[in-house]
Amino acid sequence: GQQLNQSPQSMFIQEGEDVSMNCTSSSIFNTWLWYKQDPGEGPVLLIALYKAGELTSNGRLTAQFGITRKDSFLNISASIPSDVGIYFCAGINAGNNRKLIWGLGTSLAVNP
Amino acid sequence: GAGVSQSPSNKVTEKGKDVELRCDPISGHTALYWYRQSLGQGLEFLIYFQGNSAPDKSGLPSDRFSAERTGGSVSTLTIQRTQQEDSAVYLCASSLAFQIGYEQYFGPGTRLTVT
Repeated sequence: GQQLNQSPQSMFIQEGEDVSMNCTSSSIFNTWLWYKQDPGEGPVLLIALYKAGELTSNGRLTAQFGITRKDSFLNISASIPSDVGIYFCAGINAGNNRKLIWGLGTSLAVNP
Repeated sequence: GAGVSQSPSNKVTEKGKDVELRCDPISGHTALYWYRQSLGQGLEFLIYFQGNSAPDKSGLPSDRFSAERTGGSVSTLTIQRTQQEDSAVYLCASSLAFQIGYEQYFGPGTRLTVT
């Protein structure tokens, strides 16, 4: 099935550094969602975006809905050890609004 | 309930046996989804329910997989004659409604191991 292109696949950073990851699609999306999954748990919704150009923050996390409607990015500022996990983007295709399309995830490791 | 719950949390079964996985969605959520996640992989969509109806079963990997939902609440995913490639974490999610922008909330998953 269709998947989003999510990058990078993995990151290993030092505590305190900023992190940036993104998702791209070949088709237009009308919703972008960012999730985080901790080991042994289900994904947890971090940020939801509904309008092109929308910029939304949740604590140290900031996400934007690209103006072309084909991409989204997630930034984490001043990373801390508990940011470790897998971050997934997901979107609803404008032409098929009946299921979420998922990226393969960005695995983040933080060195204290 | 406060969140999506799934049971069992872990299941080890022998190849060829049938298994049933259960999902209790958030109270009041009409849409329910099943996903499969293999080790280190993303989420593979299996099936969704709007109420008790499953309009799209195209994500089910084979006819050994089936799912039902009763009373617009609890759902059961059944895998018959399990194979080793069925080993994965099976995640359930629910959302308020099956429409644009209604975010999905996930349970902790059931880790299935087929030996």
